[in-house]
Amino acid sequence: DAGVIQSPRHEVTEMGQEVTLRCKPISGHNSLFWYRQTMMRGLELLIYFNNNVPIDDSGMPEDRFSAKMPNASFSTLKIQPSEPRDSAVYFCASSTGNSGNTIYFGEGSWLTVV
Amino acid sequence: DQQVKQNSPSLSVQEGRISILNCDYTNSMFDYFLWYKKYPAEGPTFLISISSIKDKNEDGRFTVFLNKSAKHLSLHIVPSQPGDSAVYFCAARTVYGGSQGNLIFGKGTKLSVKP
Repeated sequence: DAGVIQSPRHEVTEMGQEVTLRCKPISGHNSLFWYRQTMMRGLELLIYFNNNVPIDDSGMPEDRFSAKMPNASFSTLKIQPSEPRDSAVYFCASSTGNSGNTIYFGEGSWLTVV
Repeated sequence: DQQVKQNSPSLSVQEGRISILNCDYTNSMFDYFLWYKKYPAEGPTFLISISSIKDKNEDGRFTVFLNKSAKHLSLHIVPSQPGDSAVYFCAARTVYGGSQGNLIFGKGTKLSVKP
């Protein structure tokens, strides 16, 4: 079975540009998570969806960040405008949403904003 | 304020010896704990978990211990192998409203197992 699929794997962009990260969760999973990893803060949750509905977006750092999940098989995380401090690895993860089940991570999108 | 803390950013162990990775938490509502392993340029992968109703869970060379009164858990790897070299993340979760809560991660401990 395919795991969580993220694209792009690597992105280098200039400050001020819009960045869109994409995620396809594991088929049948109804919870989707966006995490960001930095040296300073480790792995921090940005937002998570349950059945395509955002449940908790308290981790989204600023209004420049937005996330959507238009259907069960696709989600986007958008940064507009991007800033150098947004440089990080962004992970998407999914799970079945049942208590006690683990979440499965994608390989991450490495973002560098110059 | 960090709810899940891994106070050792790195640990070096000789091959064949025991590796002990520690994790502390502050939220008494956490009821499920997990350890993830992460290799460079890859996403974290699930390793082992423990429910708050247990104090020990074992899976092969990996054992997780939970001390609820101390709000402390640890991951033991024995014997350690060079392939275990990775970053290990401790994570905790609450379950509320019947739906799965999100995972709160520690900052990770980088384990190096030397041949």
